[in-house]
This record gives sequence, structure tokens and C-alpha cells, in this order.
Amino acid sequence: KAGVTQTPRYLIKTRGQQVTLSCSPISGHRSVSWYQQTPGQGLQFLFEYFSETQRNKGNFPGRFSGRQFSNSRSEMNVSTLELGDSALYLCASSSYWTSGSSYNEQFFGPGTRLTVL
Amino acid sequence: DAKTTQPNSMESNEEEPVHLPCNHSTISGTDYIHWYRQLPSQGPEYVIHGLTSNVNNRMASLAIAEDRKSSTLILHRATLRDAAVYYCILRDVGNAGNMLTFGGGTRLMVKP
Repeated sequence: KAGVTQTPRYLIKTRGQQVTLSCSPISGHRSVSWYQQTPGQGLQFLFEYFSETQRNKGNFPGRFSGRQFSNSRSEMNVSTLELGDSALYLCASSSYWTSGSSYNEQFFGPGTRLTVL
Repeated sequence: DAKTTQPNSMESNEEEPVHLPCNHSTISGTDYIHWYRQLPSQGPEYVIHGLTSNVNNRMASLAIAEDRKSSTLILHRATLRDAAVYYCILRDVGNAGNMLTFGGGTRLMVKP
């Protein structure tokens, strides 16, 4: 079974530009979550999508947005890039989105390294 | 979700056991304890999880204190490949969704 794939793996942008990152979850997984990882803040949750609906959202400005398609693939977009948006962006997929389940293992992709100049 | 506290770093010798501690004094009755690890240049990967009883799987063991205010991830024989950042995460089983709240984690260094 193929793992979570993220494209592109590396990206360089300049301040003010916008960027779109893509995530393909494991086949059959309907939940996709996005995380930002920086040396200063660590791993922070951005948002989660399940069946094309945003179910959870972290504490990030509105410049960060996402969507999920009917085939469960997801994209996240960052508009008006700032230097502080330089980070590793990780996508994770899971097969479930229910309460009462102790075991919703998250499968992470390798990430997209975004550098903002 | 309640907060966890882990040492910033630990060192181990190859082929020796490693005990990675995690404190979670404000844990609630419905919080499961999850451990993930992040190998260099990779995304995090699931290691193990538990509620009250000790748990074993092919990767590690999880020992949970009787009062559940702390837990310990045990790697029985550390290898160089186990060098990673280990995250202890609490997740309320009553919450739908898969959001994980990562802390700083423990960076494990394994010496040959």
C-alpha cells in the first residue's frame, strides 16, 4: 500500500506570493490533517478535512486555507506569504473520524519544505 | 487536551534498553496516551498507545503509572535507527477527529 505523498517536496517563494501544497492520502483514508513544523514552534495543527468538510481548525490566520476533493486528496494554500511561513508542512491521513475510538493512527507524509525569501 | 512534559533530550547506547519518561499530571479519565516518533527528515510515525494497562507491540512497550499521571516508553534494545524525536501526546477519546497536539518531545541520541 502506498504511503502518504506530498508534492512538491521543496519550494522556494518570495514574500507576498501565494503557494499551494498537495497531499494524497493512503488509499481508502478519508481524513487528512495538515501540520506546520518550525524550529521555534514545533509541530502545530493547521486543519483537518474529512469527506470534503473541514472538521477541525488550529490557531492560524485566515491566510492559511485548505480543501479536500472527492477522492480525498487535499490541498492547502497560503496567501500573502511571510518570512515566518518558512516551515516544513506535513500532511497526515487516517481512515477514521469518530469519537469513541482510541486508535485513529495518523500516517504522515514526508512533508513539503517551504522557504520564503 | 491535557499537557505533557518530556525531557528535551536523552542519550543511550546501542543495544541497551531506553526508558523515555512523560509526565501528564492533568490527564483526564478519557485521555489516551499516544506516542509518536519522528526520524530525521521524515514525518512522525505512530509508536504505541494505551489507556491504563501496560501495552506491548513490536516496536516498544508502554508502561503507565497506576495514577496515570506519568508514563514511560520503553525501547527494549535501542538501535541507531531509533535515534529520533519521541512525542508523548494525550488524546481525548471523546473528541471526534484526529488532531494531535504535539509538545516539544524528547530527542533520543543512540551511540554505537
